[in-house]
Amino acid sequence: DTAVSQTPKYLVTQMGNDKSIKCEQNLGHDTMYWYKQDSKKFLKIMFSYNNKELIINETVPNRFSPKSPDKAHLNLHINSLELGDSAVYFCASSQDILQGTYGYTFGSGTRLTVV
Amino acid sequence: GESVGLHLPTLSVQEGDNSIINCAYSNSASDYFIWYKQESGKGPQFIIDIRSNMDKRQGQRVTVLLNKTVKHLSLQIAATQPGDSAVYFCAEDSGNTPLVFGKGTRLSVIA
Repeated sequence: DTAVSQTPKYLVTQMGNDKSIKCEQNLGHDTMYWYKQDSKKFLKIMFSYNNKELIINETVPNRFSPKSPDKAHLNLHINSLELGDSAVYFCASSQDILQGTYGYTFGSGTRLTVV
Repeated sequence: GESVGLHLPTLSVQEGDNSIINCAYSNSASDYFIWYKQESGKGPQFIIDIRSNMDKRQGQRVTVLLNKTVKHLSLQIAATQPGDSAVYFCAEDSGNTPLVFGKGTRLSVIA
């Protein structure tokens, strides 16, 4: 069983389109994250949700809208895609971020290519 | 602003040799540190962690050293194998905020 699963693994789309990436974790974790990895492999936090509530929103354009229907799911919707959105997006989860420091479990990533 | 780690360098080692990957972190308030391994086409995978009240921790073939005085972390891999080829990241945690990742080091193992 995959602990943190993301779909799709690859996504190629045209500029201006709207797309979603889904993430699910079966670890019983309370906190979920979206990270963006650029072409130089730099991993940058985008959002963090704890028990379905947004707790961290790093300076991400409002074209990106995360949604957490329950604590096991954190989806990422992107409106009006731009070339600069091309990257690999990673979902991750951890035990309750507000209760201490723990390692994260990452999904396998979604490679988004905007053409 | 400052970031954890170095620019993405490449470390090439002969199979069977030991590897040492270094990382400089910026936040003196960080109290938990993790090394991750990312293989091609996969997400980062936990290798080993260390809390700030320790200066050394050993796992299977891996050792993490923490020097809080100079805000430096290192990952030592013993008897490096081809399967160790990957990008390695250090990450720091300063409390109720998400992990901050360094820029990674690519380890290339020469058979």
